[in-house]
Amino acid sequence: AAGVIQSPRHLIKEKRETATLKCYPIPRHDTVYWYQQGPGQDPQFLISFYEKMQSDKGSIPDRFSAQQFSDYHSELNMSSLELGDSALYFCASSSVTEREGYEQYFGPGTRLTVT
Amino acid sequence: LAKTTQPISMDSYEGQEVNITCSHNNIATNDYITWYQQFPSQGPRFIIQGYKTKVTNEVASLFIPADRKSSTLSLPRVSLSDTAVYYCLVGDKMNTGFQKLVFGTGTRLLVSP
Repeated sequence: AAGVIQSPRHLIKEKRETATLKCYPIPRHDTVYWYQQGPGQDPQFLISFYEKMQSDKGSIPDRFSAQQFSDYHSELNMSSLELGDSALYFCASSSVTEREGYEQYFGPGTRLTVT
Repeated sequence: LAKTTQPISMDSYEGQEVNITCSHNNIATNDYITWYQQFPSQGPRFIIQGYKTKVTNEVASLFIPADRKSSTLSLPRVSLSDTAVYYCLVGDKMNTGFQKLVFGTGTRLLVSP
């Protein structure tokens, strides 16, 4: 079965640079979520989109922005990167219309390292 | 969302049954209890969800007492590959999938030979 795809899997950036993370949800899933997990920490919700509209927002820095496109893939844009942004970034997807709302499917994550 | 409390860590041996208890004293009437499993450097994975009494699937069982203020995830005959962090989440069933997941401090299970 198709899973959530994230790219790139690994990314190394320097301070003050920008980064773009991409997420391709499971086909027919209409909701995408972004989570950040720092070293030794638990996943923290950043932002979510339903049908290309922002549906919820968590502790996402103003330096970050995200959007969901017409094909339902999503991109997380991060600017003015800081050392503290080094983390695993997970994308998850779920479906409202298919009544599978009780389960979110997570991608393999993008490991961002800021030097 | 109801706050949950779990043990920070647990140790077990291969072949044993592991029970992880989660406290959620402020659970609301419409709330469901959901458990996720996370291996190192991987995304969390849904394990099981329940509302009351007992739920069982091919991976685990979930026991929920009548007052629903706690729940116990039971993993039968664990293997080394069950070493992971286990998260208990509580929320409205619709919201658990449609809205953000709020992860508390999960339980780090270490299974030894």
